[in-house]
Amino acid sequence: DGGITQSPKYLFRKEGQNVTLSCEQNLNHDAMYWYRQDPGQGLRLIYYSQIVNDFQKGDIAEGYSVSREKKESFPLTVTSAQKNPTAFYLCASSGGGLGTEAFFGQGTRLTVV
Amino acid sequence: AQSVTQPDIHITVSEGASLELRCNYSYGATPYLFWYVQSPGQGLQLLLKYFSGDTLVQGIKGFEAEFKRSQSSFNLRKPSVHWSDAAEYFCAVGAAYSGGGADGLTFGKGTHLIIQP
Repeated sequence: DGGITQSPKYLFRKEGQNVTLSCEQNLNHDAMYWYRQDPGQGLRLIYYSQIVNDFQKGDIAEGYSVSREKKESFPLTVTSAQKNPTAFYLCASSGGGLGTEAFFGQGTRLTVV
Repeated sequence: AQSVTQPDIHITVSEGASLELRCNYSYGATPYLFWYVQSPGQGLQLLLKYFSGDTLVQGIKGFEAEFKRSQSSFNLRKPSVHWSDAAEYFCAVGAAYSGGGADGLTFGKGTHLIIQP
């Protein structure tokens, strides 16, 4: 089945450590996104990529980094510079262009302990 | 900059009653509009979308939404809710030149729907 897979579903990190969240899609979509979700805040865009080897900062990119070496994969690294990393992270992809919507993975809940 | 406002943080509806969730958007050009639903701890599922044409759009699970350009609104409706409709609902706007892709969507803060038996 085509879709977006995020792993792990739950992740715990000690303060000061970097951690990488995985996102893989087999929908052959060009565009991929990372959103952060906090209670009562909706979804906020962290980074997006419209094509391999290219990505752009979203609204809240500070403390995060990404790579896009393959079309199928768009991992997100939460660095120690992110002051409040505990959140629910959602990855999405889109075929891009007119008339398309974003498809979402099941999310990763990151907790800093 | 584009923005989405969902005025109601929580809404409580009795099972079998009708539902309307409000969404207002701000966008300088023709918007592409979406409603997504999220169950606890899960990703988002698309309910319906508006790009052009008929301003009343039908979605999955018996939902519909009406685009009103004069009011900058895209309200979601359902004639009779079921207990399984309890979830978080998000309205989102995307740039017309890229649909729902490319630069990403701008989301409202969500409306939490509670169903009373």
